[in-house]
Amino acid sequence: NAGVTQTPKFRVLKTGQSMTLLCAQDMNHEYMYWYRQDPGMGLRLIHYSVGEGTTAKGEVPDGYNVSRLKKQNFLLGLESAAPSQTSVYFCASSYGASGRGWDEQYFGPGTRLTVT
Amino acid sequence: AQSVTQLGSHVSVSEGALVLLRCNYSSSVPPYLFWYVQYPNQGLQLLLKYTTGATLVKGINGFEAEFKKSETSFHLTKPSAHMSDAAEYFCAVPDGGSQGNLIFGKGTKLSVKP
Repeated sequence: NAGVTQTPKFRVLKTGQSMTLLCAQDMNHEYMYWYRQDPGMGLRLIHYSVGEGTTAKGEVPDGYNVSRLKKQNFLLGLESAAPSQTSVYFCASSYGASGRGWDEQYFGPGTRLTVT
Repeated sequence: AQSVTQLGSHVSVSEGALVLLRCNYSSSVPPYLFWYVQYPNQGLQLLLKYTTGATLVKGINGFEAEFKKSETSFHLTKPSAHMSDAAEYFCAVPDGGSQGNLIFGKGTKLSVKP
């Protein structure tokens, strides 16, 4: 059981470039999340999904897009990267059995992104 | 909207000393309260969770937390710190929305001195 995996682990982008971060989970979880972590800010929710084919905005969605074409994968896209998007990005998943986001979330190891 | 406040961005204790990490939430009583731990260069993992019933919750690695409704607090404690406890700790509560997503506190980094 790999749990939640994220690729890539590190990436450096120039301003204006685009990229996609991939999250995969092998636990058959319904819910998946993308967070960003910045020093002194805790974790902030970017987008989330409550099932295959669904996505919704979180607290800080601007500049990001997501897709959940397969239940096990959740992609986060940056169409035109900006220095303000320099951050560590975490993907998480949960069973969703409660019908809410209250079940234990399982986190990936993170992707460290630098935008110059 | 819900909010969660962690007092102290950095706490330092000696090995063997009591660990106390503070978390207060907004007055709307949430059905669930969480503590997550993040070890260096890793993702977060669940330490413990309060749902309903007993207000003293035991988690992994000897940590526990007590839900105090009258004080709107959910402080995390451990009687005796180990070097391996050095990590960042996050308190989280549901955001009050229909989906029940979590909002996380800003984190408290725990250092343990030998």
